[in-house]
Amino acid sequence: DADVTQTPRNRITKTGKRIMLECSQTKGHDRMYWYRQDPGLGLRLIYYSFDVKDINKGEISDGYSVSRQAQAKFSLSLESAIPNQTALYFCATSLPTSNEQFFGPGTRLTVL
Amino acid sequence: AQSVTQPDIHITVSEGASLELRCNYSYGATPYLFWYVQSPGQGLQLLLKYFSGDTLVQGIKGFEAEFKRSQSSFNLRKPSVHWSDAAEYFCAVGISGGYQKVTFGTGTKLQVIP
Repeated sequence: DADVTQTPRNRITKTGKRIMLECSQTKGHDRMYWYRQDPGLGLRLIYYSFDVKDINKGEISDGYSVSRQAQAKFSLSLESAIPNQTALYFCATSLPTSNEQFFGPGTRLTVL
Repeated sequence: AQSVTQPDIHITVSEGASLELRCNYSYGATPYLFWYVQSPGQGLQLLLKYFSGDTLVQGIKGFEAEFKRSQSSFNLRKPSVHWSDAAEYFCAVGISGGYQKVTFGTGTKLQVIP
């Protein structure tokens, strides 16, 4: 089945460390997204990419950066992790003709 | 900009009882509307979506939702809840054309009691 995968699924790190979360998809979708989920806040958009050369900030991009290495790969980096970046991170994809988003299983990140 | 409100943070229902989860949106035109479900430790799975046409939408797992333009609502319903429906439910609104940003509500956590 065409799918969206995320690695790692769980990560514990320390304040100040650089962390990379990876997302790969076999759906053939051009559009990819990174969200973070916090209890009571729903999902908030960090970055989105419409193709390899088109990357845009979302509503909460401060402290994060992304790289679109290929159509199928979209990585999220925390250059210097801080405790309030502890959250569940989701990657998603979509078709250009639809808002419907397809989510990966999530990465649970804990910053100590 | 569009916004979504899920007024109920937590709902408890008995197994076999009916369910309605509320969702209100704010958007100037006809939006795309979605309901997603997130089981514990899982990603989000699409339950159903409304783009246009019939305002009563059928989804997976026996769920349905009704788009009411006059009330700016898209409430999710199920006639008889099963214990496996215990999860968190997210309503989302998207805009047609252009950037196609999707905005998610804050979620409603459903507890099912025997």
